[in-house]
Order: sequence, then C-alpha cells, then structure tokens
Amino acid sequence: GAGVSQSPSNKVTEKGKDVELRCDPISGHTALYWYRQSLGQGLEFLIYFQGNSAPDKSGLPSDRFSAERTGGSVSTLTIQRTQQEDSAVYLCASSLGQGRGTEAFFGQGTRLTVV
Amino acid sequence: GQNIDQPTEMTATEGAIVQINCTYQTSGFNGLFWYQQHAGEAPTFLSYNVLDGLEEKGRFSSFLSRSKGYSYLLLKELQMKDSASYLCAVKGAGNNRKLIWGLGTSLAVNP
Repeated sequence: GAGVSQSPSNKVTEKGKDVELRCDPISGHTALYWYRQSLGQGLEFLIYFQGNSAPDKSGLPSDRFSAERTGGSVSTLTIQRTQQEDSAVYLCASSLGQGRGTEAFFGQGTRLTVV
Repeated sequence: GQNIDQPTEMTATEGAIVQINCTYQTSGFNGLFWYQQHAGEAPTFLSYNVLDGLEEKGRFSSFLSRSKGYSYLLLKELQMKDSASYLCAVKGAGNNRKLIWGLGTSLAVNP
C-alpha cells in the first residue's frame, strides 16, 4: 500500500483478555518498529525487526508481550492477559532498512483501551 | 548508555523564529532525524542530517554538529499550525540500527 497500515484503529478489551495488533508496512521496507505512546508522553520503543528477525526486543515490557513478522512484511504484536496499564496508542513504523537517510514512516496507530 | 535530550516545552509567537535543540549520546551514529507530531496523530518526517552543517527545507532548517553531539531544528515565520511536538531521533550503528528517540519538545505558537 501507499503507507503503513495498522489495524484495528481502536480496540477496547476487558482486562485479562488477549489482543493482537497488526501492522502492514510499506512494500519493500525491511525495517519495522513497534512503539507505545501514552497520552502526552514520548515514544516508548518496544521491538525492532530487520526482515523477519528481531535484533532488538529489549523494549518489550514483560513476557505478556510478543511480536512476530512473517515474509518480511506484516507484523503482529500480541499482548496476553491485558492489564489496564497496557492502555496506550501502539504505533508501527517502517523504513527502507539499514541504509543512511532512510526515514521511518508511521502508521496511524492502534488505540488500545483495557477496561 | 544512550541518551537524547530536548527541552520539554517551548512557547513562541506567530511570525517569529524558534530554535529547538537536541543533544545526543549514542553508541554509533548513522544520522539524526526530526519529526513533527500533532496531538492525536502519528509522527511525520521533517528532516535528516548525517553530515555537519545546515539543511534547509522551506521554513524549516536543521543543523548538525557530530563532534558536539548536537542538533537544532529552526522554524521560521511561525504559523499557528506549527503548534506540535517535535521529536529528535538518532539512528545507531552496527548490527542494531534502531532509532533512538528523544521525548519530544512541545511547541505552542501564540497569536
């Protein structure tokens, strides 16, 4: 597609349920990033993919969070047993890869609310 | 450790010029990016610097000094629509070239 696509755009879930967030990067972009942003706060890094591998998953807050990327394209972020503190906007970004000057393009995010 | 510092908030007047500073300490450097983020929206790319000096793009310019670990974003002829958060990000080097982000500078442009 023309841009980074994320779905759903909004998700309300009950505490304790599992959720799956999807990111469809720009075609040909090998690098993919997941971030979390709470209201009025900065970007919190979660995980970085280069192709299908994740050189850096240091930002995942707990073992309830996992992410995968298949075929070097679509990525899913899964949160198990959601907690209220998981409520935030989850942003996905992609870039052309490891070359210089390859800016990241962001999707519009998934707003997750855990009630 | 890796760290990026920006002022938390700035205020300026419509039509004026404002400079937003960013200092960084990272293990490796493969370029510095500036992004703009309006409330409730995703960040959008503004500029990129990898060599020392000034890059100009319309009303926005960005400067980099690698030896000082310092960059600034200069916004001229401020407009009300420039009220937003401005994020500085550095791309690392080596096997992990993820972007390292500052917390952003919230700019309020007043009439």
